Amino acid sequence: DSGVTQTPKHLITATGQRVTLRCSPRSGDLSVYWYQQSLDQGLQFLIQYYNGEERAKGNILERFSAQQFPDLHSELNLSSLELGDSALYFCASSVVSLTSRAGELFFGEGSRLTVL
Amino acid sequence: AQSVTQLGSHVSVSEGALVLLRCNYSSSVPPYLFWYVQYPNQGLQLLLKYTSAATLVKGINGFEAEFKKSETSFHLTKPSAHMSDAAEYFCAVSDPYTGFQKLVFGTGTRLLVSP
Repeated sequence: DSGVTQTPKHLITATGQRVTLRCSPRSGDLSVYWYQQSLDQGLQFLIQYYNGEERAKGNILERFSAQQFPDLHSELNLSSLELGDSALYFCASSVVSLTSRAGELFFGEGSRLTVL
Repeated sequence: AQSVTQLGSHVSVSEGALVLLRCNYSSSVPPYLFWYVQYPNQGLQLLLKYTSAATLVKGINGFEAEFKKSETSFHLTKPSAHMSDAAEYFCAVSDPYTGFQKLVFGTGTRLLVSP
């Protein structure tokens, strides 16, 4: 158990819909990262938050957005869903601060999204 | 841009045999390198990491990897495979100046272990 909790574990929805994935980082971790894992794209970095602020953006679509709340949990919002958005979405957290860069990412078990 | 290439999407070994999973990196600056393992229906777990200290890095579960700058490689090895090692393994690289931001993963290698 990594200590990172993601809900829901599985989600099936239709094209055009909107879903929210939730992540609770390990206790004390200030950084949260979202990754998308699909068969054709592999593991892709989406976005990082540090203590409530966006710190880095990767290959995140404009239809997707995220935020980190004061209690440090994070949500990834996916809207106008398309078939190609079907994937496993991972959240990870780390103790890495802005000045410490060689720590470890702890991954949750992922949320599997299926768009029909 | 940084990248990693994992040679072989599938590697099959017999129990007790040597495990060798290959990873080559591309980076314009000295990189940080990582190996992660993903068991079925689970998230990724860090096996080991290289952060410019010793070039031979020992990780969990008997795995180790050696950073070879001249070959731009960071291959993962284990002397004797166990059935429980069957999983998918990912090599990853990051820029030491930005750390985990935009950690770039390889496409993964699935390790199959036969009795």
